[in-house]
Amino acid sequence: NAGVTQTPKFQVLKTGQSMTLQCAQDMNHEYMSWYRQDPGMGLRLIHYSVGAGITDQGEVPNGYNVSRSTTEDFPLRLLSAAPSQTSVYFCASSYSRTGGHEQYFGPGTRLTVT
Amino acid sequence: GNSVTQMEGPVTLSEEAFLTINCTYTATGYPSLFWYVQYPGEGLQLLLKATKADDKGSNKGFEATYRKETTSFHLEKGSVQVSDSAVYFCALRGETSGSRLTFGEGTQLTVNP
Repeated sequence: NAGVTQTPKFQVLKTGQSMTLQCAQDMNHEYMSWYRQDPGMGLRLIHYSVGAGITDQGEVPNGYNVSRSTTEDFPLRLLSAAPSQTSVYFCASSYSRTGGHEQYFGPGTRLTVT
Repeated sequence: GNSVTQMEGPVTLSEEAFLTINCTYTATGYPSLFWYVQYPGEGLQLLLKATKADDKGSNKGFEATYRKETTSFHLEKGSVQVSDSAVYFCALRGETSGSRLTFGEGTQLTVNP
């Protein structure tokens, strides 16, 4: 198993540009989520999904869109990038939507918005 | 809502020193508690967990005990190694949170030879 994979590893955007961060898992996990990591703030939940076709907002959803058309993939879209979205983004997945199972994290995407 | 507070960092220790990283939480009911570790350039890995009061989680020489009375889950290790240098995150999953996690700020640990 490859686990949770994320692409790209690094990205530089100009303000106003859009892009999609890719996340895929090959463990048949129900639950997937996106976090952003900022210094001194830990990880904050952006969006999550409890199964294909079902998504919901987390703590900091503004400026981001998600969709989940398959169990394996959970892309994160930045609609119009802003410098405040400069961060490290992590995707995670878990077997169960109801908790009680370990969450597996991808290696992260480091995004810089100038 | 749920929240997690970790001791301010960074923490710098010499090899074989004793480590404590404090973690306190706010949550209703009985959350599950976790410590995650992030090595340089990598994603987070689960280090240990405890799912009910007085449970002790342990792994790789690290331990943490779920203290309901003090709402704490402090991480300890008796003798740290250079290879333990990483960022450590305390996290909780609320009773009604499904799989959603709430993280603390993270504590950078550097162990010098």
